[in-house]
Amino acid sequence: EVQLVESGGGLVQPGGSLRLSCTASGFTLSTYWMSWVRQAPGKGLEWVANIKQDGSEKNYVDSVKGRFTISRDNAKNSLYLQMNSLRAEDTAVYYCARNDFFYWGQGTLVTVSS
Amino acid sequence: QTVVTQEPSLTVSPGGTVTLTCASSTGAVTSGYYPNWFQQKPGQAPRALIYSTSNKHSWTPARFSGSLLGDKAALTLSGVQPEDEAEYYCLVYYGGAVVFGGGTKLTVL
Repeated sequence: EVQLVESGGGLVQPGGSLRLSCTASGFTLSTYWMSWVRQAPGKGLEWVANIKQDGSEKNYVDSVKGRFTISRDNAKNSLYLQMNSLRAEDTAVYYCARNDFFYWGQGTLVTVSS
Repeated sequence: QTVVTQEPSLTVSPGGTVTLTCASSTGAVTSGYYPNWFQQKPGQAPRALIYSTSNKHSWTPARFSGSLLGDKAALTLSGVQPEDEAEYYCLVYYGGAVVFGGGTKLTVL
């Protein structure tokens, strides 16, 4: 059974940093591009970033370029999202997903507030 | 930045048929953009319904179908059930990037 489990969310002050993790099981992480998607409270889905199987290619939505970094450790079956210079508008549930979007995690809530 | 547009809301009667569409600001949505469709109910993660325009997952009910309609991607629900009331999102791939539509709130009434 494919499972994606996010962790690392929480409350952080504007300008602060947070690192999200996603642990994968039930499939071989190293054979898939992976993505992060977020959803602000009461809003729609927004794709944030994705990363190639070996980490050699990364893509980001314009609003997070220069602030967020996606990475992975295939040996640990894990995907990460380092979020710096956080803003109130980054408040959202963050989902990890295989880049074919067949499978999603349950999400982790990030709240940026003073 | 590319914008993908969906109907904000639609209402359908139980047993009826409804079509949701997905348009791109860059032009026609074709099979080369691999349009996907997702269903999301309150408090839940999105669930994949359709991939690569018209392919169903093993868990996708038969009443859901995907297609291209003119210059848009489309999701058609035939024989709508009360449990189909949800938010529906399309997704389009643009090279390495991905863009979601704004979502359609489907009400079954």
